[in-house]
Amino acid sequence: NAGVTQTPKFQVLKTGQSMTLQCAQDMNHEYMSWYRQDPGMGLRLIHYSVGAGITDQGEVPNGYNVSRSTTEDFPLRLLSAAPSQTSVYFCASSPDRGGSPLHFGNGTRLTVT
Amino acid sequence: KQEVTQIPAALSVPEGENLVLNCSFTDSAIYNLQWFRQDPGKGLTSLLLIQSSQREQTSGRLNASLDKSSGRSTLYIAASQPGDSATYLCAVPTSRTNAGKSTFGDGTTLTVKP
Repeated sequence: NAGVTQTPKFQVLKTGQSMTLQCAQDMNHEYMSWYRQDPGMGLRLIHYSVGAGITDQGEVPNGYNVSRSTTEDFPLRLLSAAPSQTSVYFCASSPDRGGSPLHFGNGTRLTVT
Repeated sequence: KQEVTQIPAALSVPEGENLVLNCSFTDSAIYNLQWFRQDPGKGLTSLLLIQSSQREQTSGRLNASLDKSSGRSTLYIAASQPGDSATYLCAVPTSRTNAGKSTFGDGTTLTVKP
């Protein structure tokens, strides 16, 4: 059971480039979310999904797009990378609305130059 | 807006000590509270989840308590070991219907010295 898998682990982009961070879970969890973690600012919610075909914005959604075509996958797209998007990105999933723990992937460390 | 604060930001103790980590939240109308551990360069691992109707949860040497009325939770670690060195975060869902929509504290970085 792999849990939550994020790829790539590391990525360097130039300003203006676009890319997709991948997140997949094999636990049949309905709820998935993306966070970014920055020193001194903790974890902040970017986007989340309560099921296939349903997504919504979190606290810091600007510059990011998401889609949820399947239960398993929840990719995060950076449309035009900016240095302010340098961060560690975490994907999380949970099986229900709040009674069960969040499961996290190991993160993607992104640097934008 | 829910705000979560963790004090202290860093803590260094000798091996074998019992210790307490603190988590405070501003909105007491919470659904649950979760404690996580994060090792350097890794993701977050769930340690304990306390439902709003519970007062505490225990797992091995870890005990988490919850006092909704005062907006506080504590994580007690008994007989600390060097392997307990990590950053500990608490999180509170901002929605009663979605644990994935959570507010996190900045964490307490614990160092246990042999």
